[in-house]
Amino acid sequence: QQQVKQSPQSLIVQKGGISIINCAYENTAFDYFPWYQQFPGKGPALLIAIRPDVSEKKEGRFTISFNKSAKQFSLHIMDSQPGDSATYFCAAGDDKIIFGKGTRLHILP
Amino acid sequence: DAGVIQSPRHEVTEMGQEVTLRCKPISGHNSLFWYRQTMMRGLELLIYFNNNVPIDDSGMPEDRFSAKMPNASFSTLKIQPSEPRDSAVYFCASHWGGPKTEAFFGQGTRLTVV
Repeated sequence: QQQVKQSPQSLIVQKGGISIINCAYENTAFDYFPWYQQFPGKGPALLIAIRPDVSEKKEGRFTISFNKSAKQFSLHIMDSQPGDSATYFCAAGDDKIIFGKGTRLHILP
Repeated sequence: DAGVIQSPRHEVTEMGQEVTLRCKPISGHNSLFWYRQTMMRGLELLIYFNNNVPIDDSGMPEDRFSAKMPNASFSTLKIQPSEPRDSAVYFCASHWGGPKTEAFFGQGTRLTVV
């Protein structure tokens, strides 16, 4: 019940395309769903987060879509740029945050 | 503020040796988390503290691992004795208002046990 399953493991997208990363959770008590971005040699940094009272949150080119009944949420990166190439982690939790295993995103120039 | 500071950045040690990783959280943050990152398992939560008190250590893999937070500005993660399978990048992260707020990660300690 504590797992957060993330897919795909790796993703290659053309510059200007849409990158989509999906996550699923099991514990219905989870009420906080952040996404973190990690560049090589650095620690993860918060990108965007959502709580279950909304179905979508947008910040610039980054959008989280949340489906409470399906216990799924996803990150969409619009107009993907080479600078977006990084590892992305979804996470979920209540009193502690559980991370997915990460998606290595590569944007082709 | 310089952010979360971890030391050392890199550590190479021989199997059986004791290893101590250090973390200085951001001033004013009251929650501190230790994570381990590997390719196979991703980012695993090891232990977290709230107001210097250990709250959940269920992620600590074995008794060889221990963590302390003697005050609000310092935490250690110790492995004794170390084993090759402990090789990973270890991160600490601090929060200002509990787990459901932004986590500020340090740059990590890359541990290699040979």
